Amino acid sequence: SQTIHQWPATLVQPVGSPLSLECTVEGTSNPNLYWYRQAAGRGLQLLFYSVGIGQISSEVPQNLSASRPQDRQFILSSKKLLLSDSGFYLCAWSVRGANYGYTFGSGTRLTVV
Amino acid sequence: GENVEQHPSTLSVQEGDSAVIKCTYSDSASNYFPWYKQELGKRPQLIIDIRSNVGEKKDQRIAVTLNKTAKHFSLHITETQPEDSAVYFCAASKEGYGNNRLAFGKGNQVVVIP
Repeated sequence: SQTIHQWPATLVQPVGSPLSLECTVEGTSNPNLYWYRQAAGRGLQLLFYSVGIGQISSEVPQNLSASRPQDRQFILSSKKLLLSDSGFYLCAWSVRGANYGYTFGSGTRLTVV
Repeated sequence: GENVEQHPSTLSVQEGDSAVIKCTYSDSASNYFPWYKQELGKRPQLIIDIRSNVGEKKDQRIAVTLNKTAKHFSLHITETQPEDSAVYFCAASKEGYGNNRLAFGKGNQVVVIP
């Protein structure tokens, strides 16, 4: 069966520090991968999605970036965090080329102080 | 692109009553409509979905109905229980667009009052 792992679960970082969140999927190949951010009490904001190794599409301009160095690995990064980067970050995967729902990772709660 | 809207934003119901959340979508070519439940501090989880070739789907106390003509779909929860309290997100997608990306609504907060 397929599983998605996301870490760390919580993170407190000072303003201006770098960020690296990692997400890996097991039990499937060639998944579509997504990074979402959710501010407190708000909806799901799509940040990046990827349909293959090295292929990244950005949905909103910001100081975040994403990379997909391996088929089942998706990384969210920042060189310098802002206070506004605080939120709940969710990784998700879906079957490529098929119209099915997403499976979300357990999320990372990031607090920038 | 697809635009999905949810109403109402917050819904309070007495335990045992029914809850209905309605979503509208803009793209008539959308053909897949999932619903996600997100409990406080946790990940959204798929609870039910429907495709455009059917009008209704049930799974125990939850059901989803789809009206393609009016471009809306609804989540029905019967005999609500405290554990149904959560944020519910609807979404829509169509095959071949953006690699089947889902367009999410902004979410409904459902509060079940014991």
